[in-house]
Amino acid sequence: SQTIHQWPATLVQPVGSPLSLECTVEGTSNPNLYWYRQAAGRGLQLLFYSVGIGQISSEVPQNLSASRPQDRQFILSSKKLLLSDSGFYLCAWSARRTNTGELFFGEGSRLTVL
Amino acid sequence: EDQVTQSPEALRLQEGESSSLNCSYTVSGLRGLFWYRQDPGKGPEFLFTLYSAGEEKEKERLKATLTKKESFLHITAPKPEDSATYLCAAHSGGGADGLTFGKGTHLIIQP
Repeated sequence: SQTIHQWPATLVQPVGSPLSLECTVEGTSNPNLYWYRQAAGRGLQLLFYSVGIGQISSEVPQNLSASRPQDRQFILSSKKLLLSDSGFYLCAWSARRTNTGELFFGEGSRLTVL
Repeated sequence: EDQVTQSPEALRLQEGESSSLNCSYTVSGLRGLFWYRQDPGKGPEFLFTLYSAGEEKEKERLKATLTKKESFLHITAPKPEDSATYLCAAHSGGGADGLTFGKGTHLIIQP
C-alpha cells in the first residue's frame, strides 16, 4: 500500500531564517506531488505541484520554492521566512497514470514564524 | 472560475442526531467530487469519490450523494468520534492542478 511521510511535524523559526520541509511517498511510482498551505478560514491553497523530476509548477507568487530531486521526493524551501509564511503545510500525492484527481495527504507540518 | 462552497461552516449535534452537510460546486466539466475528513492537526483523510449525478457511496455512518450542482454528506446517528472537519473538493480535470477545495464544515458531536 502507498504511504506518504512528511517532516518535520512542527517547526518554529525566526523571521529571515531558511526553511526546508520534506515529503516522500512510498509504494507508488511516478506520482503527481503537491504542496498545499492551510490557513484558518481560508481552506486549502495549492502552492506547487509536480508531474515529474525537476518539473515544478507554481500557483502563488511568494518567497517559497519547491524542488523534486527524486521521483518520490518533494521539498518545500525558503531562503528567508516571513511572518506571513506561518501556517499548516500539507504534502499530497495523486496517481499520475489515472489522474482521477484523488489526493492522498501527509500528516502536515505546522510552521510558526516568530 | 471554479468554485466550491460548503455549508454550514460549523455544526454542533447531539450524539445520535442525524444531519447533512452541503457542498455546492460550480466547475467546468466535473470529473469527480471528493470528500475528506480532517482531524485537528492532521492531514485530510480521503473518504469518497463521486463521479456522476445520482451516485451514492457509504462508509459506516456516512453516506455521500451527488447531484448536478451539489453533494451531500449525510451522517446517520453520529458518535463523538465523528467529530472532525469535513472537506469537499471538485475535480475539473484541468491538469494536475484542476482541484478546487471548499473551506470545510467543522462538525462537533456532543455525547
